Amino acid sequence: GENVEQHPSTLSVQEGDSAVIKCTYSDSASNYFPWYKQELGKGPQLIIDIRSNVGEKKDQRIAVTLNKTAKHFSLHITETQPEDSAVYFCAATLYSSASKIIFGSGTRLSIRP
Amino acid sequence: DTEVTQTPKHLVMGMTNKKSLKCEQHMGHRAMYWYKQKAKKPPELMFVYSYEKLSINESVPSRFSPECPNSSLLNLHLHALQPEDSALYLCASSQDGGPGELFFGEGSRLTVL
Repeated sequence: GENVEQHPSTLSVQEGDSAVIKCTYSDSASNYFPWYKQELGKGPQLIIDIRSNVGEKKDQRIAVTLNKTAKHFSLHITETQPEDSAVYFCAATLYSSASKIIFGSGTRLSIRP
Repeated sequence: DTEVTQTPKHLVMGMTNKKSLKCEQHMGHRAMYWYKQKAKKPPELMFVYSYEKLSINESVPSRFSPECPNSSLLNLHLHALQPEDSALYLCASSQDGGPGELFFGEGSRLTVL
């Protein structure tokens, strides 16, 4: 089955700097890679996703890159703001069975003022 | 309305009690999910209902019993739970169980004494 590894487990960056979170997956058949943000006391919320036919996707300050050959994908947040502080989960799944999303272990991102 | 509503937000129960968690969505989604999340861990899939039929049971103990009375409602019946079942229980929905965004509720925090 699919296994997703996520690094780092904690990340602290100065406000305004960039943050990068990296994930690797094991099943080369996986083709859908969402990223979820979970704020304290709330459920996870999708912030961006990418499918395997695309190498990069951007939405304002957030971008995701995918390297299918290396089975790596990364989340990039630029110009970080205090409201970016949260736990971020990467995930992987087969497009045909997206019901079984496999989450990474999570990264706790803290933005220092 | 892009909201998944879970009740109760907090629940404390003894090991001999019977209780239920409830989840409701009015987005017309046809897939609904139960996840269990322990502290500092990612969500773990428990059950998936697709078009009101149970499509995935991740080998969850029978003391957890899901029910989907209609396409908008999802229940999780709890009986004879153990202290290690204490966790945040998250409900989610998606359009049709295929690839795409999961909409999570804020969760029900369960404590088993």
